[in-house]
Amino acid sequence: NAGVTQTPKFQVLKTGQSMTLQCAQDMNHNSMYWYRQDPGMGLRLIYYSASEGTTDKGEVPNGYNVSRLNKREFSLRLESAAPSQTSVYFCASSLEGAGINQPQHFGDGTRLSIL
Amino acid sequence: SQKIEQNSEALNIQEGKTATLTCNYTNYSPAYLQWYRQDPGRGPVFLLLIRENEKEKRKERLKVTFDTTLKQSLFHITASQPADSATYLCALLDNYGQNFVFGPGTRLSVLP
Repeated sequence: NAGVTQTPKFQVLKTGQSMTLQCAQDMNHNSMYWYRQDPGMGLRLIYYSASEGTTDKGEVPNGYNVSRLNKREFSLRLESAAPSQTSVYFCASSLEGAGINQPQHFGDGTRLSIL
Repeated sequence: SQKIEQNSEALNIQEGKTATLTCNYTNYSPAYLQWYRQDPGRGPVFLLLIRENEKEKRKERLKVTFDTTLKQSLFHITASQPADSATYLCALLDNYGQNFVFGPGTRLSVLP
């Protein structure tokens, strides 16, 4: 009963490097989300995918790209990492979109440091 | 501007007492509001949801109220235990009805 699985758990990058954060859910959920969490600022939505085949920008999309690979997997890519992207990244999923009154299920995060 | 505030960054209470956490919002009209618990190094875990037409919701030792006039939700933990120590996040549906917006959280410490 894995729920939402994120890999890697920790990563250190140099400025300008690229990387992809992976997320997979096994709950047959339609909607998936990527957030970042910074001290004192709460969770901020980067991108979301309301259903397989669709992606949309959230509050803070600049510097990121996403791919909804299939119903289970939703990846987040940093093309050219910047120190301002140092954060904890959380992936979440819900059965349907937020507007349909659904709780979100979160992974345990990827702690990303950019030097 | 739109804002979600949660009472204080940290709240310390004695075991057995009732903890009350506050979530205030500005320039939102959420159809519903959720509360999550987050332990250190872990992702948030859903606790309760309350709709705008519900005044109060309970689940075991947890109680949530939602006052759309005051633009406030209160989250109560009765008979608190050290195991209740965590950060609690409120989240409300944005004005487009599409996504959740999260507050910064309140770190609760229940002292034995």
